[in-house]
Amino acid sequence: GAVVSQHPSRVICKSGTSVKIECRSLDFQATTMFWYRQFPKKSLMLMATSNEGSKATYEQGVEKDKFLINHASLTLSTLTVTSAHPEDSSFYICSASPGWTGSNTEAFFGQGTRLTVV
Amino acid sequence: AQSVTQLGSHVSVSEGALVLLRCNYSSSVPPYLFWYVQYPNQGLQLLLKYTTGATLVKGINGFEAEFKKSETSFHLTKPSAHMSDAAEYFCAVTSYSSASKIIFGSGTRLSIRP
Repeated sequence: GAVVSQHPSRVICKSGTSVKIECRSLDFQATTMFWYRQFPKKSLMLMATSNEGSKATYEQGVEKDKFLINHASLTLSTLTVTSAHPEDSSFYICSASPGWTGSNTEAFFGQGTRLTVV
Repeated sequence: AQSVTQLGSHVSVSEGALVLLRCNYSSSVPPYLFWYVQYPNQGLQLLLKYTTGATLVKGINGFEAEFKKSETSFHLTKPSAHMSDAAEYFCAVTSYSSASKIIFGSGTRLSIRP
């Protein structure tokens, strides 16, 4: 299957600083990328959908000014957690889709980023 | 709107025993259904998916699932559990028009007893 690379895999930052997480599709062009957040022992919560060259669509309850998403190219989307606080500590996972529809519908997931805010 | 319900947050079976993880879905349009596995601190790996056609879907690592429209279910099974199957399993749903926007169930942690 297609490969999605997420970087960094782990990051520790101080409260009040900003952290950027990158999601890259390595061998395909991703017209759409998704960002998920996973709390300990919980499911994946969809945060936002980003399409290349346009503003991200955020799910209800997700602060767009807190979680900045940029999908500047067909192979790269970034999530920036601004002014991070300990409650932002979580596992963040991205997925990328080549835009197939129908029976080829599939999204490919990154390895995830463990963010710890101290 | 679409949603997925996984029955049982934790399932424990003996090594060699049948694995059954339950998943029910709700969808106003024909669903596409997935099972993913997640090992600790890792991303998701696709086990299998149903889109159209044959309702019994075979995946990797000996897993299979059957789409039952009448029961709105997509349960995951494996005839004989292996220690390496211990992980978190997620059932998920999307549709033809959702452009891979996948909605996940709450997950089921599978433990294997020696």
